[in-house]
Amino acid sequence: DAGVIQSPRHEVTEMGQEVTLRCKPISGHNSLFWYRQTMMRGLELLIYFNNNVPIDDSGMPEDRFSAKMPNASFSTLKIQPSEPRDSAVYFCASNGDSYEQYFGPGTRLTVT
Amino acid sequence: GQSLEQPSEVTAVEGAIVQINCTYQTSGFYGLSWYQQHDGGAPTFLSYNALDGLEETGRFSSFLSRSDSYGYLLLQELQMKDSASYFCAVRVDTGRRALTFGSGTRLQVQP
Repeated sequence: DAGVIQSPRHEVTEMGQEVTLRCKPISGHNSLFWYRQTMMRGLELLIYFNNNVPIDDSGMPEDRFSAKMPNASFSTLKIQPSEPRDSAVYFCASNGDSYEQYFGPGTRLTVT
Repeated sequence: GQSLEQPSEVTAVEGAIVQINCTYQTSGFYGLSWYQQHDGGAPTFLSYNALDGLEETGRFSSFLSRSDSYGYLLLQELQMKDSASYFCAVRVDTGRRALTFGSGTRLQVQP
């Protein structure tokens, strides 16, 4: 199994641009999570999907952030417009029947 | 709100034993997990405790006391490769698999 796949691994963009992060969960996993990690705020849950349906998006910082999961094998996190304070590492994780969450390698986003 | 407290840093020497504590105050509790994260890497799962007591997995053990809202991760026979950040995380709702993470403990293992 390839594990959770995220793309791109690194993204550098200018303030005001749209950013789209992509995630492919482990096949058969029915829960998907987007996290953001910064030195100041640690590891924060942004949104959680179960069976492709958003269950909890209370961690999404503001309307500039949106996430979709059109099918069981793909999810996107979009930031529009991006701001320098969005610079962080964004992780996608998936979970099946066990308690273990499997994290992808992350996308390091830098907004200048 | 949800609150998990961990020490920010711990230093130990190779071969030693180190304990990383975690206390939590959450609206619900259905289990305590521990994750390891090396610099530049992704968090990886170490252990999960739903019931009181000690769970052992090789050199790592995890303990939970639900009555004290407290748990710890015990690392034995420390190796240089154990230098990493360690996060405790609480599952607050049985119907939801989302986790609330602590701020992490950075462990530095010295020769």
